Amino acid sequence: GAVVSQHPSWVICKSGTSVKIECRSLDFQATTMFWYRQFPKQSLMLMATSNEGSKATYEQGVEKDKFLINHASLTLSTLTVTSAHPEDSSFYICSARETIIHNEQFFGPGTRLTVL
Amino acid sequence: AQSVTQPDIHITVSEGASLELRCNYSYGATPYLFWYVQSPGQGLQLLLKYFSGDTLVQGIKGFEAEFKRSQSSFNLRKPSVHWSDAAEYFCAYGAGGTSYGKLTFGQGTILTVHP
Repeated sequence: GAVVSQHPSWVICKSGTSVKIECRSLDFQATTMFWYRQFPKQSLMLMATSNEGSKATYEQGVEKDKFLINHASLTLSTLTVTSAHPEDSSFYICSARETIIHNEQFFGPGTRLTVL
Repeated sequence: AQSVTQPDIHITVSEGASLELRCNYSYGATPYLFWYVQSPGQGLQLLLKYFSGDTLVQGIKGFEAEFKRSQSSFNLRKPSVHWSDAAEYFCAYGAGGTSYGKLTFGQGTILTVHP
């Protein structure tokens, strides 16, 4: 299957700082990527749909000014958590749609964010 | 809004025993349904998916799932569990049309396998 990577795998930051998380499709191009958030012992919640070359589409209740998404190339989407606070601590997971061979989503390993 | 329910938060089985993980969805139209497995440090891996056609779907690692429209269910089964199957399993509903690709996940079921 196709491979999706995330960087960093974990990050600890101080309250008020911004953190950028990268999602890369390593061996395929993805016009669409998705960002999910997973709280401990809970399910994945879709945050936004990232479209290459256009603005991201955010789910209801997700602050677009808080979670900035940029999909500048066909293999890279970034999620920036701005002015992070402890309640933003979570596990962030991205996925990328591969439409040529598998026609399915492939998920990254996730990024653990801890805000102190 | 559509929802996906996995009634069992945690299931424990003995190695070699059969397994069934339950999943119910609430949505009117024909759904796209998926089962994923999540292991620590690894991304979610697709086990199988149902779009249309045969209601019994075969997946990887010996898993299968049956779509039952009358019961709004898509239960995952495996006849003989291996210790390496211990992980968390997620059922998901996929939207179609302009929302194609968006997934709604169930709460997840943690599977523990005893030797």
